[in-house]
Amino acid sequence: DAKTTQPPSMDCAEGRAANLPCNHSTISGNEYVYWYRQIHSQGPQYIIHGLKNNETNEMASLIITEDRKSSTLILPHATLRDTAVYYCIARWGNTGKLIFGQGTTLQVKP
Amino acid sequence: DTEVTQTPKHLVMGMTNKKSLKCEQHMGHRAMYWYKQKAKKPPELMFVYSYEKLSINESVPSRFSPECPNSSLLNLHLHALQPEDSALYLCASSQDRRRPNTGELFFGEGSRLTVL
Repeated sequence: DAKTTQPPSMDCAEGRAANLPCNHSTISGNEYVYWYRQIHSQGPQYIIHGLKNNETNEMASLIITEDRKSSTLILPHATLRDTAVYYCIARWGNTGKLIFGQGTTLQVKP
Repeated sequence: DTEVTQTPKHLVMGMTNKKSLKCEQHMGHRAMYWYKQKAKKPPELMFVYSYEKLSINESVPSRFSPECPNSSLLNLHLHALQPEDSALYLCASSQDRRRPNTGELFFGEGSRLTVL
């Protein structure tokens, strides 16, 4: 599985968009980019995933560069409840092992 | 019902005890997982079951023994643990690993284990 690199921490003002970057320069053609988050003392929660195209759901948008070497998770209007650790994961297909990296701690501030 | 239920939420055990962690889901998922998470670290994959058969063991010590009695239940039997095994143990489930799906894993809230 490709290694992903994320900044260890980020701050975002409440109501503003939170843009969380992820580098995955060694990603292979079969590997999807998955995003999960973990709010303190809870189990991880699936956010979104994609292969090549940009994706959007009710929680977030995922922007993947054309060369697939990096991606950005966008929370369009961050709230205090979005404070969490966000994990970017490169996963073989949609059945490969889900291996968590170090993640980005996002602090949303009032 | 989109829940994965783990019991107990907290467990304290001595190094000579035998205990079990339990996980249950009623979403019809056929893949179930155990992860271990130490404080301020990401979850680490331990085991994966697919159709009640162990498909992945991430070189976990034998003092951890998984069991999948049926498609809804997953147990983790604990014996002769060490203090460094103290951690949050997370269970997850997903749809059939051999059929296309979103690949979403549904996680429980975890069982927090303390080994004295």
